[in-house]
Amino acid sequence: QKEVEQNSGPLSVPEGAIASLNCTYSDRGSQSFFWYRQYSGKSPELIMSIYSNGDKEDGRFTAQLNKASQYVSLLIRDSQPSDSATYLCAVTEGSNYKLTFGKGTLLTVNP
Amino acid sequence: GAVVSQHPSRVICKSGTSVKIECRSLDFQATTMFWYRQFPKQSLMLMATSNEGSKATYEQGVEKDKFLINHASLTLSTLTVTSAHPEDSSFYICSANTRSASEQYFGPGTRLTVT
Repeated sequence: QKEVEQNSGPLSVPEGAIASLNCTYSDRGSQSFFWYRQYSGKSPELIMSIYSNGDKEDGRFTAQLNKASQYVSLLIRDSQPSDSATYLCAVTEGSNYKLTFGKGTLLTVNP
Repeated sequence: GAVVSQHPSRVICKSGTSVKIECRSLDFQATTMFWYRQFPKQSLMLMATSNEGSKATYEQGVEKDKFLINHASLTLSTLTVTSAHPEDSSFYICSANTRSASEQYFGPGTRLTVT
């Protein structure tokens, strides 16, 4: 069974710090990797996608992928209270586009 | 990013009635749409995968006769909860993929309360 594992948290960081969120996945056939942000009571919002090994930066967000270690991470620089949310890691295999989600990490950024 | 809408955003219905939820991709054609359910403080649970013009593929444990999915066009999928019961009360969320990318975009969700 395909699994995506995340530390459930809560992860608490002070405003302005770097928040580091981690995710591991079990299926070596996974090809696409995503980070979603979900505020309480809202639907998930796609914030990063990554498909090849290495780093991908978008504003304050950096996604890192290591397929050999089956590991994907998300760094949030200069964390803001508005970043407080649950962050969901998701992976897909092949072309069926079906997402397998982790259970999410609750991030709290303290002013 | 691509925009997905859902209607209604919130619905209250009586036990035994049916409720239809619409999911639309507003600025792209969606080859595949997905329907999820999320209970409070729990993870998203995939209910079914819907491809335009074909029958939906339901996940194990999801009753296809209770949760009717129709994907009549590349921009519209509907989920009908038939003979709703209080235990069907949940947050229903759809998502869609564009033709060229595996990125999946979520609608804002529909909160269903069955009384």
